[in-house]
Amino acid sequence: EVQLVQSGVEVKKPGESLKISCKGSGFAFSTQWIGWVRQMPGRGLEWIGIIYSGDSGTRYSPSFEGQVTFSVDRSINTAYLQWSSLKASDSGIYYCARQTPYGSGNYRAFAPWGQGTLVVVSS
Amino acid sequence: DIQMTQSPSSLSASVGDRVTITCRASQSISTYLNWYQQKPGKVPELLIYGVSGLPSGVPSRFSGSGTGTEFTLTISSLQPEDSATYYCQQGYTTEWTFGQGTKVEIK
Repeated sequence: EVQLVQSGVEVKKPGESLKISCKGSGFAFSTQWIGWVRQMPGRGLEWIGIIYSGDSGTRYSPSFEGQVTFSVDRSINTAYLQWSSLKASDSGIYYCARQTPYGSGNYRAFAPWGQGTLVVVSS
Repeated sequence: DIQMTQSPSSLSASVGDRVTITCRASQSISTYLNWYQQKPGKVPELLIYGVSGLPSGVPSRFSGSGTGTEFTLTISSLQPEDSATYYCQQGYTTEWTFGQGTKVEIK
C-alpha cells in the first residue's frame, strides 16, 4: 500500500524553529516528487511547493519562498518541511502528498496524501 | 501565477440532485486540471485527474469536463456521503495552484 505518514502535532512559540516529517512507504521514494500543502484553520488548500527526492531539487510557491525549506533523507524515505523562525500566521495543518503520474504519465496529481501535521504557533 | 476561481463557494442540494461546480483559470491550462474532495475533518483525496480521468475507486457519478480556462465537476446524483468541500487544482505550470473550494451540503 502506498502511504505517507506524517509526524505529530507541534505546539511552538513564535521565533522557534521546527522540522516536520513525512515518511513514504509502498513506492520507490527515491525517485518521487513530494509536495507540501498548507490548510489554515477553516480555510482552503495552499500549494507550498515540491521536492524531488532523487536530487533534492525544489520548487516553492512565491508565497512561501524564503519562509520554509524542504529536504529529504532518501536513506529513510522521509521528506521534511522546516521553519527557522515560526510566526503565529504559520499555524495550520500541513500535508505532504506524492505527486503521482496518471493517464500514462501525461498528468500528475497529489495522491495519496499524508494524514497532516497540525502546527500551532502561539505565545 | 495562475489563479483558479471556483463557483459557487457553497451550495445546498438534495439527495439525487445533479450538482455542477465550475472552476475557471486565469489563463489557459489545457487539460491539466485535477479535482479533490475533502470531507469534514478528513484528508483531501484525489477525485479526478486530467479534467475527466477517474482514479480507481471513485464512483462513476463523478465526472469532469472542460478545457482551456473553464472546467466543471458534475455529480450526477448527489449522495449523502458526497457532503464535502471540492477543490480544483491546476498542474499546467511548475507552480500548482488550488481553487478556493466549493462546500457541498445535503439538504
